[in-house]
Amino acid sequence: QSALTQPPSASGSPGQSVTISCTGTSSDVGGYNYVSWYQQHPGKAPKLMIYEVSKRPSGVPDRFSGSKSGNTASLTVSGLQAEDEGDYYCTSYAGSNSVLFGGGTKLTVL
Amino acid sequence: EVQLLESGGGLVQPGGSLRLSCVASGFTFSSYAMSWVRQTPGKGLEWVSGISSSGGSTYYADSVKGRFTISRDNSKNMLYLQLNSLRAEDTAVYSCVKDVRSSTSRGTFDIWGQGTMVTVSS
Repeated sequence: QSALTQPPSASGSPGQSVTISCTGTSSDVGGYNYVSWYQQHPGKAPKLMIYEVSKRPSGVPDRFSGSKSGNTASLTVSGLQAEDEGDYYCTSYAGSNSVLFGGGTKLTVL
Repeated sequence: EVQLLESGGGLVQPGGSLRLSCVASGFTFSSYAMSWVRQTPGKGLEWVSGISSSGGSTYYADSVKGRFTISRDNSKNMLYLQLNSLRAEDTAVYSCVKDVRSSTSRGTFDIWGQGTMVTVSS
């Protein structure tokens, strides 16, 4: 089982939109609607931002949205704000009671 | 306040063992599946092991299968991870995480502990 593939970095200016991809295979991302996204600030624990591809937990701004097409899931952050800067990780259920993480994407707000 | 607090990390020689503990508070511990996730600067996050709410089902990443054992004591709100035959590549911060489901984890972790550092080195 290999980690899911994410771009190492992404960036955007305040107010813009940015999309982070998470690519797997038909055995994980493509095979199940169990993709989650986490935001992590330096020195802090990850925070759940999106689950089951596109659902937002209570308290997460609607500027964060998720989608999936084939073996690639995406996280879109609209109306970028300074506090959105941080590391973002995707996860996917990979069958056989296992979970895979992506390698992480560092989002910079310019 | 919903909280997970890990302990038990430290420096251990290759081939050695450690037992990590995690105490949960602020939620009905016995109703949720739990997992351990580790994080290294170079390799990011990695799911290590999961356990169902009852403790009757356990799951492991291939990288730790046969070496690590997850368990829980619902009467004490405690989660454990026994680490045996440790290797240098097991060096990481190990965090206890709460799943939103009661049975098998699907990778939806809504509560995270701050983690405990495990260093494997001679």
